[in-house]
Amino acid sequence: DAKTTQPTSMDCAEGRAANLPCNHSTISGNEYVYWYRQIHSQGPQYIIHGLKNNETNEMASLIITEDRKSSTLILPHATLRDTAVYYCIVRVPLGDKIIFGKGTRLHILP
Amino acid sequence: GAGVSQSPSNKVTEKGKDVELRCDPISGHTALYWYRQSLGQGLEFLIYFQGNSAPDKSGLPSDRFSAERTGGSVSTLTIQRTQQEDSAVYLCASSLGGAADTQYFGPGTRLTVL
Repeated sequence: DAKTTQPTSMDCAEGRAANLPCNHSTISGNEYVYWYRQIHSQGPQYIIHGLKNNETNEMASLIITEDRKSSTLILPHATLRDTAVYYCIVRVPLGDKIIFGKGTRLHILP
Repeated sequence: GAGVSQSPSNKVTEKGKDVELRCDPISGHTALYWYRQSLGQGLEFLIYFQGNSAPDKSGLPSDRFSAERTGGSVSTLTIQRTQQEDSAVYLCASSLGGAADTQYFGPGTRLTVL
């Protein structure tokens, strides 16, 4: 079973920030938080990952709570191309398969 | 640089036939993973390679499924005596290893068993 809980779906207006929450209350000390997304008919696309510090890259920001039991993925200026299913995953690195849950279906509204 | 590539992109076969799906990982990536995604379902892990060995085969659904990796690079997933329930998108991912071991996915092979 997936170790994360995400809302089934969310809407966001184009140009606004999309904030996608994820609960991972049973996360272990050596497990990272990863985010992927899957646009229709494509393979999953890596977005960002973190261990305990907040992270930012060209695609998104990842905010991890101090107790590491939850996190938020932020897409700062959502566009229609960001419509996808977003997966929050916790895992230990190397050799650990990714267990995908249901993810959050993000709809960007024009 | 080049990402993970998979071939063919689409494969239609008849029930009972064998199929081979190919994955070319990102150059230098030592770890390789196979997953599958059935219509409307989530991604399901199949097998993991580290170099040419497969320390985790726990996701292979039956003995009709096998995979190999040669030269620490290309991997082939073989499905023997295909069944209609094998119809799915088969995804390959590779990773460099290291502290974070981010997996990068290919575009997948869509397998349809008639």
